[in-house]
Amino acid sequence: ELKVEQNPLFLSMQEGKNYTIYCNYSTTSDRLYWYRQDPGKSLESLFVLLSNGAVKQEGRLMASLDTKARLSTLHITAAVHDLSATYFCAVVPLSNDYKLSFGAGTTVTVRA
Amino acid sequence: EAQVTQNPRYLITVTGKKLTVTCSQNMNHEYMSWYRQDPGLGLRQIYYSMNVEVTDKGDVPEGYKVSRKEKRNFPLILESPSPNQTSLYFCASSFSRTGVDEQYFGPGTRLTVT
Repeated sequence: ELKVEQNPLFLSMQEGKNYTIYCNYSTTSDRLYWYRQDPGKSLESLFVLLSNGAVKQEGRLMASLDTKARLSTLHITAAVHDLSATYFCAVVPLSNDYKLSFGAGTTVTVRA
Repeated sequence: EAQVTQNPRYLITVTGKKLTVTCSQNMNHEYMSWYRQDPGLGLRQIYYSMNVEVTDKGDVPEGYKVSRKEKRNFPLILESPSPNQTSLYFCASSFSRTGVDEQYFGPGTRLTVT
């Protein structure tokens, strides 16, 4: 069974500083997704990472994928309040293109 | 507007009373899936469908049924709900016919089983 581990699970950020969220997974995969969930809301897609070495950036967020290390990172640059949310990574195993396994989520709070 | 809709949004029911949560998408997507979200566990996949009449189990299918008779609809059926099925449920869809792709999520259905 594919296991997806995110850390930290909770992250208190200070505005203006940089932080990283890690997503480790236990089986071979070359497809990984990052989603954001605001409190009481649904999930929205942030990044689609489809190959080893993939790097995507949007505003203050940058995601990367290292399939050899089975690791993805979500880097936050100069945190601002509106980045407060829960971030999930989700992995598709090579053994089954139709299954998707999520990490437990990282709840981010940005304080002044 | 492209969207995934779910109904009802909130539901309180009693143990054993059959219920159906509907899911519909207007984007002509091939792939649809159901997830449940529980605190500390993230989202777990219940069932998915690659196309009309083609469905398969996710990681937590026990106690649930699905059907995909039309491309746009993918209802989730709880034949005999139990309290451990109290959760927040999300339906999602994606375009690709060759596996999971970037997913579009519905607004969620909060189910309480007493």
